[in-house]
Amino acid sequence: GAGVSQTPSNKVTEKGKYVELRCDPISGHTALYWYRQSLGQGPEFLIYFQGTGAADDSGLPNDRFFAVRPEGSVSTLKIQRTERGDSAVYLCASSPGLAGGETQYFGPGTRLLVL
Amino acid sequence: SQQGEEDPQALSIQEGENATMNCSYKTSINNLQWYRQNSGRGLVHLILIRSNEREKHSGRLRVTLDTSKKSSSLLITASRAADTASYFCAGPNNAGNMLTFGGGTRLMVKP
Repeated sequence: GAGVSQTPSNKVTEKGKYVELRCDPISGHTALYWYRQSLGQGPEFLIYFQGTGAADDSGLPNDRFFAVRPEGSVSTLKIQRTERGDSAVYLCASSPGLAGGETQYFGPGTRLLVL
Repeated sequence: SQQGEEDPQALSIQEGENATMNCSYKTSINNLQWYRQNSGRGLVHLILIRSNEREKHSGRLRVTLDTSKKSSSLLITASRAADTASYFCAGPNNAGNMLTFGGGTRLMVKP
C-alpha cells in the first residue's frame, strides 16, 4: 500500500513568511508524528497526534509552530513568521496507534529553507 | 534530550566487510529501534528489539541489546555499497508516544 507522503518536497521561503507543510499518513494509522532534523543531527520530536487530538506537543519550539489534524488523517504543520533557524528537514511519521513505542513509518520529508 | 547516542559517528569500510555500530541510551526502555536514512530524507525502519530480547536477526542485520549496560549494537554483515547511509537508534519515551534519536552513524561502504 501507499506509504507516508509529504508535500512539498522542498520549500524555499523568506524570513518572516508563513508556511504550511502537509503529511498524508498511511491509511488507517491513528498515530501521527512530526519531527525536525537539522543537518548532521538525528530527528527531534515536535508533536504527536492520536486521532484528531494533539496528545503531546512538548517538542514544538515556540508558539510560531502549530499543527492540526482535523479529520484524524492528513496533518498540516504550520510555521508563522519563519526564521532562518527554522531551516531543516521536517519529517512526518505514522503508526497504527495500537501500542506505545511501536514502529513508525516515515515520509520522505519536506526540506525547508528560510532565506 | 537524546535517548540514543551512536558510536562511531562515522565509519568507512570496504565492500564485503562487516560494519558494527553501537548505541547507548539513558533511561529504561521497552524496546529499541534501528532506522536507516539515505541522503538526509525519510527514515526506513530496520529492526525493533524488545527489552526482554537479547539478540535479533533480519537478513544481514544482527542487533543485540544489553539492558544492564543500556546499550545496543547493529551489525551489518557482508556489507554492500548500497548499505551506505546514516543509521540511527531510537527509543520510545516513557509514554511510548514518540521516539528520541541519537546523532547517527554515517556509514560509507566503498566498492
